[in-house]
Amino acid sequence: GAGVSQSPSNKVTEKGKDVELRCDPISGHTALYWYRQSLGQGLEFLIYFQGNSAPDKSGLPSDRFSAERTGGSVSTLTIQRTQQEDSAVYLCASSFPPRVGNQPQHFGDGTRLSIL
Amino acid sequence: RKEVEQDPGPFNVPEGATVAFNCTYSNSASQSFFWYRQDCRKEPKLLMSVYSSGNEDGRFTAQLNRASQYISLLIRDSKLSDSATYLCVVNTNYGGATNKLIFGTGTLLAVQP
Repeated sequence: GAGVSQSPSNKVTEKGKDVELRCDPISGHTALYWYRQSLGQGLEFLIYFQGNSAPDKSGLPSDRFSAERTGGSVSTLTIQRTQQEDSAVYLCASSFPPRVGNQPQHFGDGTRLSIL
Repeated sequence: RKEVEQDPGPFNVPEGATVAFNCTYSNSASQSFFWYRQDCRKEPKLLMSVYSSGNEDGRFTAQLNRASQYISLLIRDSKLSDSATYLCVVNTNYGGATNKLIFGTGTLLAVQP
């Protein structure tokens, strides 16, 4: 079946512009997550959605970052007034509800964001 | 101190070798444990979950020691296609308040012909 789908695959933009990244989770996965991976760094958690609610937004690095999810499906991550340090691969993952046992998360291909 | 620590490697091994990776985690409340594999410029892919009783999937064996907060992965009969970065991953689910994965920085494996 279809996996997690992210778009765009690559995004190059100028410093100060806003960007919007999209994630379409695996059908039936009510939990959705955003992570990012900077060059030479490990993956870091950004935000967790269960349905349309975000119980944990603790990983968002600043108030320039926001995310929403509608219809319990597609999510968008928005970065306002982008800075060069925002350059990274932004990865989305989804899973079945975590209350149902040990549910691994499955990742999309990511969006490679480059801020000039 | 990082929540999940791994030896970054690289581990350079010949085909057919057995190689072991270790990982420690600091949060004793952690509940789920995984090994993910990440190829260069690709997304992480689940390799296997890790259980206290130990589990095996073909050439791969994972072990968890909760008392020592230690996780291991053993790869037997290494193949060239096993070359990748292996990520030790820990999940702490505080009654649904979060379900985030904490990743180690990964161990790079290079299997040589």
